[in-house]
Amino acid sequence: DTGVSQDPRHKITKRGQNVTFRCDPISEHNRLYWYRQTLGQGPEFLTYFQNEAQLEKSRLLSDRFSAERPKGSFSTLEIQRTEQGDSAMYLCASSLDRGSGSYNSPLHFGNGTRLTVT
Amino acid sequence: KQEVTQIPAALSVPEGENLVLNCSFTDSAIYNLQWFRQDPGKGLTSLLLIQSSQREQTSGRLNASLDKSSGRSTLYIAASQPGDSATYLCAVTQGDKLIFGTGTRLQVFP
Repeated sequence: DTGVSQDPRHKITKRGQNVTFRCDPISEHNRLYWYRQTLGQGPEFLTYFQNEAQLEKSRLLSDRFSAERPKGSFSTLEIQRTEQGDSAMYLCASSLDRGSGSYNSPLHFGNGTRLTVT
Repeated sequence: KQEVTQIPAALSVPEGENLVLNCSFTDSAIYNLQWFRQDPGKGLTSLLLIQSSQREQTSGRLNASLDKSSGRSTLYIAASQPGDSATYLCAVTQGDKLIFGTGTRLQVFP
């Protein structure tokens, strides 16, 4: 168990550029989540996948944001035409759903990707 | 809409003290409650998970309680150490996602 891995750790980009982040979950975990955290706040839910299916998206996920999990393993989060308000820590988490929901499966978080939009 | 509040926002204590962190939530229809630790610039580490049918969970020097009907949870840390310095976040599970509080920033000084 190598834990949840996120890449890159830091990304600095200019306003208007596109960025893509990657998350590799714990290998046997079928659920994968994306959260966003700004300074001094708790993480806010963005979206989650059950295997390759994207099951829920937050209203925070504008049409500039897109997430994929093509083979039910790693996931990517892309932000198009970045804005300064997108600056935040983007956290990925995974869990194992044994068929009765993830209600009692703890989430394992990666160390996040810190995005700075100048 | 579920809202999770944590009090205090920050806490500074001398090493060795026992302390209590508080978490409250507005909607008692939760599946479970989790406490996390977050070190600066890092991700979250799960500390304890209390199922909605449970009253408390213990792990080492940590004890978390849950009173679902009143919408409250506490995290008790015994004999605090400088290594406990971090931000502690509570989160409730509704549907298939966690809803987080804003955290308590703890500093334990020698």
